[in-house]
Amino acid sequence: EPEVTQTPSHQVTQMGQEVILRCVPISNHLYFYWYRQILGQKVEFLVSFYNNEISEKSEIFDDQFSVERPDGSNFTLKIRSTKLEDSAMYFCASSAGVYYTFGSGTRLTVV
Amino acid sequence: GDSVTQMEGPVTLSEEAFLTINCTYTATGYPSLFWYVQYPGEGLQLLLKATKADDKGSNKGFEATYRKETTSFHLEKGSVQVSDSAVYFCALSTTSGTYKYIFGTGTRLKV
Repeated sequence: EPEVTQTPSHQVTQMGQEVILRCVPISNHLYFYWYRQILGQKVEFLVSFYNNEISEKSEIFDDQFSVERPDGSNFTLKIRSTKLEDSAMYFCASSAGVYYTFGSGTRLTVV
Repeated sequence: GDSVTQMEGPVTLSEEAFLTINCTYTATGYPSLFWYVQYPGEGLQLLLKATKADDKGSNKGFEATYRKETTSFHLEKGSVQVSDSAVYFCALSTTSGTYKYIFGTGTRLKV
């Protein structure tokens, strides 16, 4: 069964540093997403991406965040100048429509 | 806007007990509804789904019925096992073009 692959599984970074979280969506999917889950809390929508542009973003997705599909296969989330409160599990997902496939997540720890 | 409300946890049950986790939603149009399960330290796994009113989703002994009249999608299982201990998330897919998911706050089940 096709999978969404996320790397790394765990990243530790210093406050103020930039991080890039990587995702390889399922090859024939057209919609790509990032979600965030702060430890013990709900899963929150960050951004959706379609046709090489952001189609929707949440209030959380401010200028600190950006997404890119640099080479037609990878889908990345960049967080500039990380803060302690960015520590969370970040999930990538892709879909051909309403049904998602989620990746296993990247746990980001900002110290 | 669209939202999902889940019962507060944790829910603590004895093995073989009956499980109900309540979920209600607010949405425009007719969203698809989902239950996801998250085991400790792991990602999100789709447990079951329903796409229209009166649909019943089922998987691994879990069931939920899409009730449009009560805007509910309660999760049930007739006999829980220790291995069912996890966090359960109810979610809906918005009917806008981006297929954004909105999750409930999650309910922790301890068996």
